[in-house]
Amino acid sequence: EAGVTQFPSHSVIEKGQTVTLRCDPISGHDNLYWYRRVMGKEIKFLLHFVKESKQDESGMPNNRFLAERTGGTYSTLKVQPAELEDSGVYFCASSQLDSRRGGYTFGSGTRLTVV
Amino acid sequence: AQRVTQPEKLLSVFKGAPVELKCNYSYSGSPELFWYVQYSRQRLQLLLRHISRESIKGFTADLNKGETSFHLKKPFAQEEDSAMYYCAAQGGSEKLVFGKGTKLTVNP
Repeated sequence: EAGVTQFPSHSVIEKGQTVTLRCDPISGHDNLYWYRRVMGKEIKFLLHFVKESKQDESGMPNNRFLAERTGGTYSTLKVQPAELEDSGVYFCASSQLDSRRGGYTFGSGTRLTVV
Repeated sequence: AQRVTQPEKLLSVFKGAPVELKCNYSYSGSPELFWYVQYSRQRLQLLLRHISRESIKGFTADLNKGETSFHLKKPFAQEEDSAMYYCAAQGGSEKLVFGKGTKLTVNP
């Protein structure tokens, strides 16, 4: 079974530029989540999709962040324009419908550096 | 506010020694508790979950509702246990709340 795939693995961009992160969940997993870890802080929830619908986007920091999951398969997270404080590791995870029993499967993460 | 606290940023033990990684939570209701682990150059992965009451790689975790704790324990640490460990809680929604993590180093 293929795992959760994220790319790019690393991205270095200048402040003000746009970056798009992609996540391919495990096939058949309806739940897809984005999290991020900013340096020195805990891993924080960004948002949750169920299929193509945003179930919870309470963790999105501001309107510079836009997440989509067209067709309920892969998801993209766009940051536009990027700011220095957006630097960190962005994790994607997926789960089957009842994640309270199964837990999540995480991707390897995308390390974003904004300079 | 929902919060998971891991008081130790770093923990170092010798091989064969017992190890305990502390986790306390502040949550309304009865959350589900998890431990996730990230080995060097690997992805974050589920180690164990309270709901299944399992032992994985010799690790166990007991939920103490009175103390709101979910400490991770192993009686005899191995060098391959060296990793970053994250305690996490899940309430009524699908969202996980993580602690800041504890870096465990098991010395030979």
